[in-house]
Formats: sequence, structure tokens, C-alpha cells
Amino acid sequence: DAGVTQSPTHLIKTRGQQVTLRCSPKSGHDTVSWYQQALGQGPQFIFQYYEEEERQRGNFPDRFSGHQFPNYSSELNVNALLLGDSALYLCASRTAGAGGLNEQFFGPGTRLTVL
Amino acid sequence: KQEVTQIPAALSVPEGENLVLNCSFTDSAIYNLQWFRQDPGKGLTSLLLIQSSQREQTSGRLNASLDKSSGRSTLYIAASQPGDSATYLCAVLKTSYDKVIFGPGTSLSVIP
Repeated sequence: DAGVTQSPTHLIKTRGQQVTLRCSPKSGHDTVSWYQQALGQGPQFIFQYYEEEERQRGNFPDRFSGHQFPNYSSELNVNALLLGDSALYLCASRTAGAGGLNEQFFGPGTRLTVL
Repeated sequence: KQEVTQIPAALSVPEGENLVLNCSFTDSAIYNLQWFRQDPGKGLTSLLLIQSSQREQTSGRLNASLDKSSGRSTLYIAASQPGDSATYLCAVLKTSYDKVIFGPGTSLSVIP
């Protein structure tokens, strides 16, 4: 089991550009969540996808959008990049639902630097 | 609105010492609480998960307790080692379909 995988590992962009980050969930998981983690802070929830629909969204602007594919993999898109978007972007997967553990597993993250 | 805090923000201990990390949450109606470890610049590794009906979980030298009524969880690390140096984060899930809320983390340094 490969666990949660993310690509790319590192990314450098300039202000105003657009970026797409990718995530493949752990085998058997159907729910994918994205988090932004600034240096020295805890991860901040961006949004969660289940059955190809955005189910929950955190306090992030519409420049942040996502998608989930039928195989449960997911993309995070950020438009009109700002310097403040520089962070570690983490993807987590779990099998959501009542009665289950709902244990989250995280990928290694994508380090985005905006210049 | 659920808020999660962790005390202390940073901790430095000599090797071999037992230590306790604290996590507090404002809304006691949770589904589970999870403790994670994060090495610098890396992703999060799940250490322990405590379901709302449980009081504690143990894995090796780690023991996590949960007191929902007081909104607190502790992570106990026995006989600390330099390899335990990392940031430890706690996270709470309100319902099985909800988002996970993280604390800011405790940065632990174990000195050889």
C-alpha cells in the first residue's frame, strides 16, 4: 500500500500565476481533504471532497478550487498566486462515515514557493 | 466554533525524561481526536487516534488520554529519545463527515 501520495514535491511560481497540485489517496479511502500549513503553524483546512463533490470548505477565497476524480484522486488549483500562498500544502485521505474510525492519513506535502 | 490549543508551544528535555504534551478543545462534542508527529518540512504521521467513547490509547512508549468533559487530551511520551524530536499536533473531528481542526503544535527537542 503506497499510502497517500502527492505531486510535485516542490514548486516555485511567480505572483499571478496559477498552480495545480495533485493527490492520490490511500487505497480504500474515498474522502480527500486539503490543508495549507504556513511555517510554524498548524494545518488550516481548505476543503474536503467526497464522491466528486466539495462537501466542506474552510475560510479560503475562491482562488482556491479543487476537483475529485472517479478514482478518488484529487487536484487543488490556486489562481492568481499571492506571496502569502507560499506554504506546505498537505493532502489527507480517510474513509468517512458513521461507525468507522475516520482516521486521517497524510501525504508528504507539496512545498509551494511564490516569488 | 471549535478551537484547539496546545501547551507548551515548545519544549526541550534531556534524553530519558518522561514528558506530557497538552491539547485543549473548546467543543466537547467530538467524534475522535488524533495525535500526529511532523518532522521539519515533512507530512504528518499519525501516532494515536482516540474515539469519543474511549479514554486512552497506547502505542509503544506513547500514551494518549482523552477527557471530553473537560475538553482535554494529553500525550505522554516515556523515556524520551533524540529521535522523538519533532512537532506534535493534535486534531479533533466533530462528526464523521466534518473537517478536522488542528492545534498549532508543540515543538519538542530531546537533547542527547
